[in-house]
Amino acid sequence: NAGVTQTPKFQVLKTGQSMTLQCAQDMNHNSMYWYRQDPGMGLRLIYYSASEGTTDKGEVPNGYNVSRLNKREFSLRLESAAPSQTSVYFCAIKPMGRSGANTGELFFGEGSRLTVL
Amino acid sequence: KQEVTQIPAALSVPEGENLVLNCSFTDSAIYNLQWFRQDPGKGLTSLLLIQSSQREQTSGRLNASLDKSSGRSTLYIAASQPGDSATYLCVTTGGGNKLTFGTGTQLKVEL
Repeated sequence: NAGVTQTPKFQVLKTGQSMTLQCAQDMNHNSMYWYRQDPGMGLRLIYYSASEGTTDKGEVPNGYNVSRLNKREFSLRLESAAPSQTSVYFCAIKPMGRSGANTGELFFGEGSRLTVL
Repeated sequence: KQEVTQIPAALSVPEGENLVLNCSFTDSAIYNLQWFRQDPGKGLTSLLLIQSSQREQTSGRLNASLDKSSGRSTLYIAASQPGDSATYLCVTTGGGNKLTFGTGTQLKVEL
C-alpha cells in the first residue's frame, strides 16, 4: 500500500458528530477514489476525483462531501455521522494513461475503520 | 452496465494444490483487468494488472490470463500455501474510466 496514506486508521464517533477522513498520495496520480466496504456489499464508490479541483458522485454519495484542493490530497467529510455510515473506508489512486484513459495500476490505502454509535 | 462475477464464491483446498480462480465480465470493452488479494481486516493488495492488449501476466506462483472476446480472466495459483488464504478480487476498468469490482472469491488453503 505504499504511496497511499489514510488517516485516521480507526475512529469512533457519536451520531451527529462530524469528521474528515484524509487521503494523501505520493505517486502524483490524477485519479483518486473513496470507497466504503461493508460485509456482503463489496466495495461501493462514494466519490471520485479525476483531477485537482474536480469531483464526481459515485454510487453512494449521500451523507458525504469531498474536497480535492490539490493533486496530492483527497478528503472525505461526514458532516453529521449516522450509524449507517459505520464501515471501512478505502482511498484508491490510479494514473491516467496517455490516451486519457485510466490504463494504469490501481493502488489502495490501508483503510479507515469508522464506527458510529 | 458492466457486471463482474467471480466463481466460486468460496474455495477450500489442501496445501500444495494448483488452483484456478475465475472472473467473468459482461462488457468486453475494457482498458484493463486487475487482480487483488485482501486479507481479513486489511486493505487490498495489487497482484497483477493485465492491459486489454495483453493475454497474460505472471508474478512468481501467480499467472493471470485475459480473454476479452469471451469476457473471462483466470488467476492461476501454483503450489498453494496457507499464506495464500485471502479473498481475491478482480476489477475491470472500462469506458468513462469506470471501475467495476468482482464479487470476490474467498480462498482457504489448509495444512
